[in-house]
Amino acid sequence: EIVLTQSPATLSLSPGERATLSCRASQSVKSYLAWYQHKPGQAPRLLIYDASNRATGIPARFSGSGSGTDFTLTISSLEPEDFAVYYCQQRAIWLTFGGGTKVEIK
Amino acid sequence: QVQLVESGGGVVQPGRSLRLSCAASGFSFSDSGMHWVRQAPGKGLEWVAVISYGGTNKFYIDSVKGRFTISRDDSKNTLYLQMNSLRVEDTAVYYCAKELATLNYFDYWGQGTLVTVSS
Repeated sequence: EIVLTQSPATLSLSPGERATLSCRASQSVKSYLAWYQHKPGQAPRLLIYDASNRATGIPARFSGSGSGTDFTLTISSLEPEDFAVYYCQQRAIWLTFGGGTKVEIK
Repeated sequence: QVQLVESGGGVVQPGRSLRLSCAASGFSFSDSGMHWVRQAPGKGLEWVAVISYGGTNKFYIDSVKGRFTISRDDSKNTLYLQMNSLRVEDTAVYYCAKELATLNYFDYWGQGTLVTVSS
């Protein structure tokens, strides 16, 4: 099983600041990685797939990068609606999620 | 617009069964792979099962193999998850999710239905 480790567990930032979230895989997943945003009581939302492709309707402030074992989700300037939990997910071998990073208001 | 609406959750005793449903609309359901993903209280997301378009291929996470069955009725645009021999550790919010193309990512999700397994 491929284990995805996300860091930090919690990121405390202010609106307008840049957020950098990390996802590290226990073995190479090539570029087969996605990022999701999840707010309490809501359906998760696909942000990025295949490491760097923005999903339909996702604002340009969200960007993804990386390949192999190290990946990054960057939110260039946090909007109030961006405070949420973010998960990475790989599809290289079966399907697994990371443990999540909570982006909270500082 | 795409809508996925889960139902069938509730409180059930260990060892009992429950069937979840997911009513889909706003897209070509019969052409889409569909998944179940769950989230235990205070935990992260965990993929549970997938059924391919056409229903030919089905795959499960090891912890539910032999106990859960994923199925679909394309005439009703509905996805199912039959859960037997439920365990306390199956307690979670269960989401159905539509697959993006054939890429095994999830581009649309339902709001989830809570399954609580408790004596």
